[in-house]
Amino acid sequence: AQKITQTQPGMFVQEKEAVTLDCTYDTSDPSYGLFWYKQPSSGEMIFLIYQGSYDQQNATEGRYSLNFQKARKSANLVISASQLGDSAMYFCAMRELTNFGNEKLTFGTGTRLTIIP
Amino acid sequence: DSGVTQTPKHLITATGQRVTLRCSPRSGDLSVYWYQQSLDQGLQFLIQYYNGEERAKGNILERFSAQQFPDLHSELNLSSLELGDSALYFCASGERTGYNSPLHFGNGTRLTVT
Repeated sequence: AQKITQTQPGMFVQEKEAVTLDCTYDTSDPSYGLFWYKQPSSGEMIFLIYQGSYDQQNATEGRYSLNFQKARKSANLVISASQLGDSAMYFCAMRELTNFGNEKLTFGTGTRLTIIP
Repeated sequence: DSGVTQTPKHLITATGQRVTLRCSPRSGDLSVYWYQQSLDQGLQFLIQYYNGEERAKGNILERFSAQQFPDLHSELNLSSLELGDSALYFCASGERTGYNSPLHFGNGTRLTVT
């Protein structure tokens, strides 16, 4: 079973509009972290935002916010006032600590976001 | 700039050859992770080291090996290369093991096997 599911392979959004990228996750571990990364066409992986499983409030970082709904196991990324430079591949990822030292970051398949001028 | 340095940026080699990819983690980070990104497989976790010791293994082939040195830099060795090994290889580092800190990625090494 997929641990991280991103159901939108591609999205087209008008510049200056807000956009929501969906992410659902599956874990039985009470302690986990959820992350979003951006991968522009140049290839680098850029860390955007983090949400911990015990965090009461949704994380925000500038124009990025994470809509964390724990009961639904969803961690959607919201980008406000999109810009042309936001065009990229976006990955949702989960980090679990199941056994001491035995943990990894698992990625979804990604959503390719294209901002239209 | 993530602070994670990967060399080389590009590598072109022939089938059957062996290559070494190098990674220097961010200053202060003890954990190093290797990931492979190919078009058909997405981002696959290969292996993790923490302060010189192997901590977790993912989908790493037996032809691949890695190590983390006392100065915390890491190397990923790929041998008997096949066409299917062509991919972008990322190194990431984190300040500690656990679920509540992000991993920071290098810019990757793009390996092309011909």
